[in-house]
Amino acid sequence: AAGVIQSPRHLIKEKRETATLKCYPIPRHDTVYWYQQGPGQDPQFLISFYEKMQSDKGSIPDRFSAQQFSDYHSELNMSSLELGDSALYFCASSPRDRRTDTQYFGPGTRLTVL
Amino acid sequence: AQSVSQHNHHVILSEAASLELGCNYSYGGTVNLFWYVQYPGQHLQLLLKYFSGDPLVKGIKGFEAEFIKSKFSFNLRKPSVQWSDTAEYFCAVRADSWGKLQFGAGTQVVVTP
Repeated sequence: AAGVIQSPRHLIKEKRETATLKCYPIPRHDTVYWYQQGPGQDPQFLISFYEKMQSDKGSIPDRFSAQQFSDYHSELNMSSLELGDSALYFCASSPRDRRTDTQYFGPGTRLTVL
Repeated sequence: AQSVSQHNHHVILSEAASLELGCNYSYGGTVNLFWYVQYPGQHLQLLLKYFSGDPLVKGIKGFEAEFIKSKFSFNLRKPSVQWSDTAEYFCAVRADSWGKLQFGAGTQVVVTP
């Protein structure tokens, strides 16, 4: 079965650089969630989109922005990177169905900021 | 604000031992409950979920969990663990029928041969 695709899988950036992470949801899933998992920590919700509109916002820094496109893929843009942004960034997708709304996670993008 | 508490941060046990991981949440309304597993170097995989109905839910790989509403708990169990169950286990709660997940801190489980 098709899964959530994230690219790149690994990314190394310098401080103050920018990064763009991409997420391709499972086909027919219209909702995308972004989570950040720091070393040894639980995943923290950043932001979500439903039908190309932002549906919820968590602890996402102002330096980060995201959007969902017409094909439902999503991009997380991160600017002025800081050392503390080094983390595993997960994308999850789900269909907006009250009976089956389970979030399926992608493999993550490991971002290292030097 | 809702919170999720996992009782143990690290659990070490031998193969064939029984496993029970505790999860409590604080939220007064209807919740959806999940257990995810993260094998070393891998992404989160859904073990099982509870939306409504029978409070005893069965998941993949022989895991099950019991929702006890009066105790705000959703404990994960497996009667006999295998070495391949070594992983980190996350309990997650969602306050709506859809929406963001609130994760617990995770429990690192190590199964020794």
